[in-house]
Amino acid sequence: DAGITQSPRHKVTETGTPVTLRCHQTENHRYMYWYRQDPGHGLRLIHYSYGVKDTDKGEVSDGYSVSRSKTEDFLLTLESATSSQTSVYFCAISVGGVGANIQYFGAGTRLSVL
Amino acid sequence: AQKVTQAQTEISVVEKEDVTLDCVYETRDTTYYLFWYKQPPSGELVFLIRRNSFDEQNEISGRYSWNFQKSTSSFNFTITASQVVDSAVYFCALSLRSGNTGKLIFGQGTTLQVKP
Repeated sequence: DAGITQSPRHKVTETGTPVTLRCHQTENHRYMYWYRQDPGHGLRLIHYSYGVKDTDKGEVSDGYSVSRSKTEDFLLTLESATSSQTSVYFCAISVGGVGANIQYFGAGTRLSVL
Repeated sequence: AQKVTQAQTEISVVEKEDVTLDCVYETRDTTYYLFWYKQPPSGELVFLIRRNSFDEQNEISGRYSWNFQKSTSSFNFTITASQVVDSAVYFCALSLRSGNTGKLIFGQGTTLQVKP
């Protein structure tokens, strides 16, 4: 157990509404990541954070924003949800040196945008 | 550009058969790390192994073994004497030392079904 909690675990929302997903860690790791998982694509990086208030974009960042005001929390926001953002979202923390790190994942959030 | 390809979308075997999951990667970096993760039907992602680009020794852990070959840019995963509990989606992933981001580049995943 890497001490990662994602909330909510499931969410159904309507197109155009804002949605925030939360990732909480208990072990003070510096690096945190948000991925989305879609059939045929594996997992793709949305955004990542390398410290409080330090974030950067991944390969599929359009339509998403993130915030990290505390080491333990990394929030992913869909400003105006679209059906293409229906997916399973995973948060991860990095343990060990960067690059050589092992990423451990939360249980995932299943989001449906109707 | 970096890329990971798992050409096998789905594999079905009968229990006790050996099965190999293929992974081919692309990168121009000389220092990189390769990973395998397992995603059982319950949905969580479970770390299995990490290898760095300077260590081409094969690794064995119980019924699992990994074959890393830089010459063919492959990092294949073999399950010996498969069991029903091995049924899962398996992901191969690549991480680069350069850039200091630690982000993982995943393959598309291979769904393994082990039938009793």
